[in-house]
Amino acid sequence: QQQVKQSPQSLIVQKGGIPIINCAYENTAFDYFPWYQQFPGKGPALLIAIRPDVSEKKEGRFTISFNKSAKQFSLHIMDSQPGDSATYFCAASRSGYALNFGKGTSLLVTP
Amino acid sequence: DVKVTQSSRYLVKRTGEKVFLECVQDMDHENMFWYRQDPGLGLRLIYFSYDVKMKEKGDIPEGYSVSREKKERFSLILESASTNQTSMYLCASSITTGFYEQYFGPGTRLTVT
Repeated sequence: QQQVKQSPQSLIVQKGGIPIINCAYENTAFDYFPWYQQFPGKGPALLIAIRPDVSEKKEGRFTISFNKSAKQFSLHIMDSQPGDSATYFCAASRSGYALNFGKGTSLLVTP
Repeated sequence: DVKVTQSSRYLVKRTGEKVFLECVQDMDHENMFWYRQDPGLGLRLIYFSYDVKMKEKGDIPEGYSVSREKKERFSLILESASTNQTSMYLCASSITTGFYEQYFGPGTRLTVT
């Protein structure tokens, strides 16, 4: 049973656009929500993470928005660049337990 | 920098063979993980280990076993490889579970013919 549902499966935006990737979860015990970025031929790497005590977190051009009541969180990439083309995974866990990953979103940023 | 290395980038095995995938981390991390990654299915946890000689089943442990005799090394074993185990296998480590970053290796692309 997929504990974290991610959408869309793929996304194409033009350079400078703002791709948005959405994730939803059911387990209210989850208290850690990271996003991982994976380039072809590489393992995933942590991009940004949020705890449920804040509604938004920014790191450079990447922003996580978190809606605790809706049990949803999303990744926004400002001023997207071709180098941002990658697969993005959201995840969720409760403290002391392993991560539950979404199915991933393949992002293509065209020049 | 944390480094997680996997013994092979590509591996081709025959149905019924016993397959060993090795993973080594160099940061004295407590926890280590094995995932498989398939298109459209994301990363699915096979097994994880939170200490030497300790292991916990993940979401899809059937057909797999693991071994952790030393803190830095975590092995995934396919006792009798089958074609439905053709996949990308990713190893990861973290200081502990919960709020800590998982560091991934580059993956092993296993093909079972």
